[in-house]
Amino acid sequence: DAGITQSPRHKVTETGTPVTLRCHQTENHRYMYWYRQDPGHGLRLIHYSYGVKDTDKGEVSDGYSVSRSKTEDFLLTLESATSSQTSVYFCAISDSTNTEAFFGQGTRLTVV
Amino acid sequence: GENVEQHPSTLSVQEGDSAVIKCTYSDSASNYFPWYKQELGKRPQLIIDIRSNVGEKKDQRIAVTLNKTAKHFSLHITETQPEDSAVYFCAANRGETSGSRLTFGEGTQLTVNP
Repeated sequence: DAGITQSPRHKVTETGTPVTLRCHQTENHRYMYWYRQDPGHGLRLIHYSYGVKDTDKGEVSDGYSVSRSKTEDFLLTLESATSSQTSVYFCAISDSTNTEAFFGQGTRLTVV
Repeated sequence: GENVEQHPSTLSVQEGDSAVIKCTYSDSASNYFPWYKQELGKRPQLIIDIRSNVGEKKDQRIAVTLNKTAKHFSLHITETQPEDSAVYFCAANRGETSGSRLTFGEGTQLTVNP
């Protein structure tokens, strides 16, 4: 498996609290992505990064922010968690735009 | 932005039969089309991909076809086995000059009945 680790794997948090999910890679891949997966919606892109400090929004970016200060780490922050952000979050990495994207194990986030 | 539609959402076949899943995309600049398999509770994993300079690619029981003119691509699984049961996702990527966005379809739940 590609060297990609998400933390935490599971989290329960209260509405209105900030939450940060971490994605760490040891592959030195340029591209990193955050997706959320919900029943009936597949994998929807939240934010992605194409280099250190270079990020852009995906299709469902409202309520989320990201940071990438090092090649190996891509952080996803829910600034004020809401119940609609209960989901499974996947990080993915790739070394170019037309090669395989490797996924992390996922983080199951529950907002109560 | 890119929009990827995937059909059917569920597919049930008998072991040994073939399964076909179809996707369409909207952005003519897309040039990379991977297919991922996700087993229950696990991460998506690539099973096959195709680039826009070819029309078909095969890997054992799995094949993918691409029609750039019609902007659609399909996954074909022959001689299906129970272990093929999973959710399958198609995706499209616009490529580096336009920013890298891997956009997924909504998935197909494939069930192979013994």
